[in-house]
Amino acid sequence: NAGVTQTPKFRVLKTGQSMTLLCAQDMNHEYMYWYRQDPGMGLRLIHYSVGEGTTAKGEVPDGYNVSRLKKQNFLLGLESAAPSQTSVYFCASSLTANTGELFFGEGSRLTVL
Amino acid sequence: KNQVEQSPQSLIILEGKNCTLQCNYTVSPFSNLRWYKQDTGRGPVSLTIMTFSENTKSNGRYTATLDADTKQSSLHITASQLSDSASYICVVSAWLTGGGNKLTFGTGTQLKVEL
Repeated sequence: NAGVTQTPKFRVLKTGQSMTLLCAQDMNHEYMYWYRQDPGMGLRLIHYSVGEGTTAKGEVPDGYNVSRLKKQNFLLGLESAAPSQTSVYFCASSLTANTGELFFGEGSRLTVL
Repeated sequence: KNQVEQSPQSLIILEGKNCTLQCNYTVSPFSNLRWYKQDTGRGPVSLTIMTFSENTKSNGRYTATLDADTKQSSLHITASQLSDSASYICVVSAWLTGGGNKLTFGTGTQLKVEL
């Protein structure tokens, strides 16, 4: 049972470099989310998607872009990485929006030097 | 502003003992409250989800309570085990005008269970 899979698990970037985080879920969920987790703060929503081909901004979207070309995949891109984007990124998915249980991936630790 | 506050920030207990974690929130309009367990280096895993009409819900040795009037929730862990060592995160969902909901995450209580 794979659930939600994130790649890569670890990445080190230099300021200004770009990269893409991939999230894949095999539960046929409509809703997918990207969060970041920083020390001393609760998880914060970056972007989310309510279905294939749709994306929407969360509470901290600046500096990130996303795409949902296939229902099972949700990509998070950093076009020009900044040290403030050093964080642990979590992808999650849910069957429904309001009371649906969130299933999280294992996280991707990104360091921007 | 929607907020979720958890206490204590960290806690150390002996194996076999019980403990209670607290969550206070100011989120409105309230939709549901969730507790998650996050092991070090892993993603959060859902323990319970409670709606407005539910005041208690159990999942094995974990029992969550909800008082929607005082906007408080607690997570009680019975007969703790070493594997209970983790961060426990309270998450409150609010209804949004026009549909959908918004989740507000607490910063978590770091629990360590020792021999």
